[in-house]
Amino acid sequence: NAGVTQTPKFRVLKTGQSMTLLCAQDMNHEYMYWYRQDPGMGLRLIHYSVGEGTTAKGEVPDGYNVSRLKKQNFLLGLESAAPSQTSVYFCASSYWRTHNSYEQYFGPGTRLTVT
Amino acid sequence: QQQVKQSPQSLIVQKGGISIINCAYENTAFDYFPWYQQFPGKGPALLIAIRPDVSEKKEGRFTISFNKSAKQFSLHIMDSQPGDSATYFCAASRKGGSTLGRLYFGRGTQLTVWP
Repeated sequence: NAGVTQTPKFRVLKTGQSMTLLCAQDMNHEYMYWYRQDPGMGLRLIHYSVGEGTTAKGEVPDGYNVSRLKKQNFLLGLESAAPSQTSVYFCASSYWRTHNSYEQYFGPGTRLTVT
Repeated sequence: QQQVKQSPQSLIVQKGGISIINCAYENTAFDYFPWYQQFPGKGPALLIAIRPDVSEKKEGRFTISFNKSAKQFSLHIMDSQPGDSATYFCAASRKGGSTLGRLYFGRGTQLTVWP
């Protein structure tokens, strides 16, 4: 099992450009999450999904959109990138309902710089 | 509003010493309290977790102490080793409600263990 994978690993964008971050998991997890990590701020939840076709806002959703068309994939989109979105982005997934397990499995992260 | 408060932000410990990281929460509906460990360039990974029906959980050199009345929990790393140098996050979650499956993270503690 590859676990949780993220594409790309690094990216540099200019202000105003758009991009999509891809997260894939092969563990048949129901729940998927997108976080951003900034120095001194910990992990902040952007959006999450409790199943295919459903998404919900987290703590810092502004400027981001998500889609979960397939159970194994969770996409994070930036329509018009801003320097404030420079961060490391982590995707995570968990079983939750079927296994009553709270553990989240994290991907390796995407380092995004917006100039 | 930060749901879980973590301290200290950074910690330097001598090899063989005890590392202690503290967290506090307000929401009494939380019923799951994990600690995640993150090495540089990697995603966080579950280290150890506790539920509020026990006051302590030990796994090897890592122990969680939980004080339900004070709404506090802490991570103790005994005989700290240079390989324990990482960022540690506490978190909390609750079973029910609209935030099902969501983890609320503290801001992290960067631990450095000197040889």
